[in-house]
Amino acid sequence: TQLLEQSPQFLSIQEGENLTVYCNSSSVFSSLQWYRQEPGEGPVLLVTVVTGGEVKKLKRLTFQFGDARKDSSLHITAAQTGDTGLYLCAGSQGAQKLVFGQGTRLTINP
Amino acid sequence: NAGVMQNPRHLVRRRGQEARLRCSPMKGHSHVYWYRQLPEEGLKFMVYLQKENIIDESGMPKERFSAEFPKEGPSILRIQQVVRGDSAAYFCASSPLVAVSPDTQYFGPGTRLTVL
Repeated sequence: TQLLEQSPQFLSIQEGENLTVYCNSSSVFSSLQWYRQEPGEGPVLLVTVVTGGEVKKLKRLTFQFGDARKDSSLHITAAQTGDTGLYLCAGSQGAQKLVFGQGTRLTINP
Repeated sequence: NAGVMQNPRHLVRRRGQEARLRCSPMKGHSHVYWYRQLPEEGLKFMVYLQKENIIDESGMPKERFSAEFPKEGPSILRIQQVVRGDSAAYFCASSPLVAVSPDTQYFGPGTRLTVL
């Protein structure tokens, strides 16, 4: 049973377009983190959201935590080829271990 | 996350051999976590340790796998009598004191284990 469902699993769009990646669960999380992982490397932390309804911006990336703290979204504006990669959401239920989604593999075409 | 160090980066073992994976957390971090990533899958939690203590090993296979984080030196994930199904990327993460920044974990570059 996948506790965190990411959608879509694969996304290929043209440079300059906007996109949204979703991370959904039926469980409540005390916090949720988004990571980006390059091939052959470890996940790199992008953001941590803690409060229901919280919105955080990181340049062209906007992260939102659902009001009920069960879901999150990542929106990228004017995608660039450098945004290509695997995006992972991970939730914590206060027990220090993270539960990961299966990832969204994003490809930005020039 | 360059502060979390893992070695070796790549490890090849034959079935039945032992694999030892090492992790040095970021400076000032006292919590270490191990995760496993199978091909085309997300990361799965294995074990959470503090110095000289195993806090949560609910994700560890019951046999052949063990982990430690001694008072001095790196954390070690040990896999005895490896099988082909153990082939995966193993990631270590660390975090500071819980009271400072709960839940945020920083990952190392991983060890890719291949079992022949």
